[in-house]
Amino acid sequence: KAGVTQTPRYLIKTRGQQVTLSCSPISGHRSVSWYQQTPGQGLQFLFEYFSETQRNKGNFPGRFSGRQFSNSRSEMNVSTLELGDSALYLCASSLMGGGALETQYFGPGTRLLVL
Amino acid sequence: DQQVKQNSPSLSVQEGRISILNCDYTNSMFDYFLWYKKYPAEGPTFLISISSIKDKNEDGRFTVFLNKSAKHLSLHIVPSQPGDSAVYFCAASGYTSGSRLTFGEGTQLTVNP
Repeated sequence: KAGVTQTPRYLIKTRGQQVTLSCSPISGHRSVSWYQQTPGQGLQFLFEYFSETQRNKGNFPGRFSGRQFSNSRSEMNVSTLELGDSALYLCASSLMGGGALETQYFGPGTRLLVL
Repeated sequence: DQQVKQNSPSLSVQEGRISILNCDYTNSMFDYFLWYKKYPAEGPTFLISISSIKDKNEDGRFTVFLNKSAKHLSLHIVPSQPGDSAVYFCAASGYTSGSRLTFGEGTQLTVNP
């Protein structure tokens, strides 16, 4: 079974631009969560999608948004990029996203650099 | 407010010895704990987990211990191997947080041959 895939793997953008990242979960998984990893803040939860609906949201500004398609693939969008948005963006999938006792599996991440 | 803390940014051990990685949490609502391993340029890989109804879980060379009264958990790797060198993250979730994982800052483990 293929793992979680993320595209692109690397991106360079300039301040003020917007960016869209893509995540394909493990086949059969319906929950997709997004995390941001930075050296100073570690891994921070962005949001979770289940059955095309945002079910949970972290403490990030509205510039960060996402969506999920009927095949469970998810996209994350960041508008009006800031230098501080430079980070590794990780996507994780799980069967139902039920939290306790359900393991999340991570993709390799998208490394975003904002200049 | 850092609800999950890994106070040791790095740990170095000799091959064959035991590695002990520690993690503390403050949120009493957490009831499921996980350890992930991360190599550079890769996503975190799930290692082992433990539910709050247990105090120990083993999987091969990896054992996780949970002390609920102290809000402390630890990961033991015995024997340590050079391939175990990676960043280890402790993560926690709770019944009310759904799939949201709260991560510690990570501990860089280096196993020397």
